[in-house]
Formats: sequence, C-alpha cells, structure tokens
Amino acid sequence: SQTIHQWPATLVQPVGSPLSLECTVEGTSNPNLYWYRQAAGRGLQLLFYSVGIGQISSEVPQNLSASRPQDRQFILSSKKLLLSDSGFYLCAWSVGGRGPRYEQYFGPGTRLTVT
Amino acid sequence: AQKVTQAQTEISVVEKEDVTLDCVYETRDTTYYLFWYKQPPSGELVFLIRRNSFDEQNEISGRYSWNFQKSTSSFNFTITASQVVDSAVYFCALSEATTSGTYKYIFGTGTRLKVLA
Repeated sequence: SQTIHQWPATLVQPVGSPLSLECTVEGTSNPNLYWYRQAAGRGLQLLFYSVGIGQISSEVPQNLSASRPQDRQFILSSKKLLLSDSGFYLCAWSVGGRGPRYEQYFGPGTRLTVT
Repeated sequence: AQKVTQAQTEISVVEKEDVTLDCVYETRDTTYYLFWYKQPPSGELVFLIRRNSFDEQNEISGRYSWNFQKSTSSFNFTITASQVVDSAVYFCALSEATTSGTYKYIFGTGTRLKVLA
C-alpha cells in the first residue's frame, strides 16, 4: 500500500532563516506531487505541483520554491522566511497521468511557525 | 475560472441530528470530477468520495450520502445521525486542467462542523 511521509511535524523558525520541508511517497511510481499551505482557520492554497522529476509548476509567486530531486521526493524550501509563511503545510500525491479522476492523498502535514 | 463555494463557514448540531454541507461549483469543462475531504483536528485530510460529471446517481456510504445535481452545479454532503467523531472541517474540491496537461484541485474554503454531545 502507498504511504506518504512529511517531516518535520512541527517547526519554529525565526524570520529570515532558511526552510526545508521534505515529503516522500512509498508504494507507487511516478506520482503527481503537490504542496499546499493552510493558514490558520483558512482553506487550502496550492503552492506547487510536479508531474515528474525536475518538473515543478508554481501556482503563487512568493517566497518559497520546490524541487523534486527523485521520483518520490518533493521538497519545499525558502532562503529567508517571512512571518506570513507561517501555516500548516501539506504534501499530497495522486496517481501519475493526465486524467482528472485521481483523488489526492495527503500527508500528516508540517506546522510551521515563523517568529 | 473554476470555482468551488462552500457558503457555510461553520455549522453546529447536536449529536444524532442530520446535517447537510453545501458545495456549489463553477466549471467550463464537460468532464470533471468532484471530491469531498474530511480534515479532523489532527490536520491530515482524509479522502471521502469522488464523483464524475457523467454520474448523477446519489451515493450512500453508511451514515454519509452525497447528492450531485448538475442542473444546479451542486454536490452536497449529508451526514445522518451525526456523531461527535464527525466534528471536523470538510472540504469540497473540483478538478481543473493545468497548462502542463495534468489536473489539480480547486478547493472550497471548507465548512467546520461541530457535533455537540
């Protein structure tokens, strides 16, 4: 069966510090991968998605970047965190391919607080 | 542009009451999929159901049921005999084609359901 891991689970970082959040998927090949952010009490904002190694699409211009160095690894980064980067970060995967039918499966999330 | 509206920000019910969560969508696609997710206090989103645009048959799964009506662009979710464990934020989502040829979700803003004992 497929599983998705995210770490760390919780992170407190000062403004201006770098960020690296990691997401890995097991039990599937060539998945589509997604990064979302959820601000406190708000909905889900899609940040990045990837259909393959090295292929990253950005949804919202911002302080963050994403990379996919391996098929089942997705990394969210920042060189200098802002207070507004605080939130709950969720990674998700879906079956690879170009159809609309595939549900997304979410990881446990990382709660980031920028102080 | 595609859009998903969940007008109910928060609903409170007493245990054993029935509750319906509304979802209204906008899309230009003729083929599309709709989804419901549950986000319990732990934070992880749990997939509940997928429905394609060609299948308007209502679906029931235990205490959960979904009513899909293309004529009104709605995909509503009903919980029968609600329980405290149903307390969560519920999200409706719509698939949307991307410029890279794959699909992404458009999420609604969610409805927080509180079931009181």
